[in-house]
Amino acid sequence: DAKTTQPNSMESNEEEPVHLPCNHSTISGTDYIHWYRQLPSQGPEYVIHGLTSNVNNRMASLAIAEDRKSSTLILHRATLRDAAVYYCILRVSGAGSYQLTFGKGTKLSVIP
Amino acid sequence: NAGVTQTPKFQVLKTGQSMTLQCAQDMNHEYMSWYRQDPGMGLRLIHYSVGAGITDQGEVPNGYNVSRSTTEDFPLRLLSAAPSQTSVYFCASSSHSKDTEAFFGQGTRLTVV
Repeated sequence: DAKTTQPNSMESNEEEPVHLPCNHSTISGTDYIHWYRQLPSQGPEYVIHGLTSNVNNRMASLAIAEDRKSSTLILHRATLRDAAVYYCILRVSGAGSYQLTFGKGTKLSVIP
Repeated sequence: NAGVTQTPKFQVLKTGQSMTLQCAQDMNHEYMSWYRQDPGMGLRLIHYSVGAGITDQGEVPNGYNVSRSTTEDFPLRLLSAAPSQTSVYFCASSSHSKDTEAFFGQGTRLTVV
């Protein structure tokens, strides 16, 4: 299984930028890096994904290292609603491409 | 667009009872899956399906059955509930492409007493 490593928890002040790191040293050339988050008492929701280049959308930015062995999810201005568990997941090639393997993720706390 | 719909939202069962958790999606996705999430843990894959008539086991399949007769529906059956199956269950769907997002339902909170 393609594995990722994330810190267990992080804190941020409201309206400050947040950088959530993820290591994926065993990533293969065609694996996509996906980020999901889970708000309290809700199902996971998609945040962003990418392959090689940095990606931006309305929710966040994804910065991917040149060797692709790590990535960083960037929330530009944390709000209280961003307090959640953030999961970094690799979507791999072949038969396993359908599966999302969840670790424990990073629990982000936002301080007012 | 409803996305992924799970029913019921809450359920309490007695040990040994059976029940079916329903999951439906309206996005014509090939891939559907069931996860369980225990307190403080990430999601673990129970069963998945890559299309109508095709199912396979995930990481924690024991005690659960699935079938996929249509693209839209993917029910999860507990044949004889046990307290160890107390958990929150999530259904997900996605297309087969790695370059697309997966969608999750809001979950079913199951308690077995």
